[in-house]
Amino acid sequence: GENVEQHPSTLSVQEGDSAVIKCTYSDSASNYFPWYKQELGKGPQLIIDIRSNVGEKKDQRIAVTLNKTAKHFSLHITETQPEDSAVYFCAARKGGGGSQGNLIFGKGTKLSVKP
Amino acid sequence: DTEVTQTPKHLVMGMTNKKSLKCEQHMGHRAMYWYKQKAKKPPELMFVYSYEKLSINESVPSRFSPECPNSSLLNLHLHALQPEDSALYLCASSQGSGSFGETQYFGPGTRLLVL
Repeated sequence: GENVEQHPSTLSVQEGDSAVIKCTYSDSASNYFPWYKQELGKGPQLIIDIRSNVGEKKDQRIAVTLNKTAKHFSLHITETQPEDSAVYFCAARKGGGGSQGNLIFGKGTKLSVKP
Repeated sequence: DTEVTQTPKHLVMGMTNKKSLKCEQHMGHRAMYWYKQKAKKPPELMFVYSYEKLSINESVPSRFSPECPNSSLLNLHLHALQPEDSALYLCASSQGSGSFGETQYFGPGTRLLVL
């Protein structure tokens, strides 16, 4: 089955710096890769996603890149702010019904942005 | 609007109690999910409902009983739980349950403590 590895597990940056979180997946049939931000005591919030027919997607300070050949995708946050501090989860999913369509999550990255 | 609501926010129950968690979405989504999340871990899939029918049960103990009364509502009935069942229970929904690029939106969760 699919396996998603996420690194680093913790990341501390200075306000205004960039942050990069990387994920690798094992199943080449995976075609959808969302990123979720989870603040303390809240549910995961979708911040950006990318599908396998696209190599890069950007939304203001957040961007995601996908390298299908290497089977890895990354989250880039520029000009970080203290409110970006949270746990970030990457995930991967194949198309199709049944359990094939399940989201497989990475273990999460705790991002701390120091003012 | 991408809102999934969950009640209650917090729940404390004894091992002999019966309680229910509720989830609601009004996005017209036809797939709904229950996840369990332990501290510092990613969400773990428990159940998937697709078009109001249970399509996936990830070998969850029978003390957890899901119910989907209609396309907007999802319940999780709890009975005879164990202290190790204490966790954040998350509900999510998506347009479908297996097609290419289905985005899942999560609710804020119910924090459950079993004494």
